[in-house]
Amino acid sequence: QQQVKQSPQSLIVQKGGISIINCAYENTAFDYFPWYQQFPGKGPALLIAIRPDVSEKKEGRFTISFNKSAKQFSLHIMDSQPGDSATYFCAAALGGAGSYQLTFGKGTKLSVIP
Amino acid sequence: NAGVTQTPKFRILKIGQSMTLQCAQDMNHNYMYWYRQDPGMGLKLIYYSVGAGITDKGEVPNGYNVSRSTTEDFPLRLELAAPSQTSVYFCASSRLAGRAGEQFFGPGTRLTVL
Repeated sequence: QQQVKQSPQSLIVQKGGISIINCAYENTAFDYFPWYQQFPGKGPALLIAIRPDVSEKKEGRFTISFNKSAKQFSLHIMDSQPGDSATYFCAAALGGAGSYQLTFGKGTKLSVIP
Repeated sequence: NAGVTQTPKFRILKIGQSMTLQCAQDMNHNYMYWYRQDPGMGLKLIYYSVGAGITDKGEVPNGYNVSRSTTEDFPLRLELAAPSQTSVYFCASSRLAGRAGEQFFGPGTRLTVL
């Protein structure tokens, strides 16, 4: 049973446009939601993360929007650039100190075309 | 700091062979993890360790074994390799667990079992 559903599977955006990736979760006990960025041939790297006590978090061109009642969260990339072309994974975890497992979505391959 | 390093980068195994995937980190992190990444499937946790001498199973542990004799090293052992173990394997580490613990990933090992 997939606990974090991510869409779309792939996304093509023009340079300067807005990229939007959506995730939905099932386990209401999750309280940490990171996004990871992965370039080809590399390991994933933490991009931005949010806790459910805030509805939005912004870091530069990257924004997470969080809707606790709908159990959904999304990543918005403003002014998308060709260098943003990568695979993006949302994830969720229990937030306690005894929690070790990140549950990942299946990933979204973003291509930003000039 | 080199961060998280993994060897080898690529490996082809025959069915029934065994091998050890090496992982080392130089950040003095207590927590270490092994994930596998299958195309279009996100990352799934195989095993994790909360410190030297302490390991536990993740979501998909069958067919794998781990050990953690030092803080720095966390090797993953495949016994009797099967085609279903064809995947990209990522090792990760974190200083803390849960939402306080950003996971840092290595570059991965691409394994093919024929």
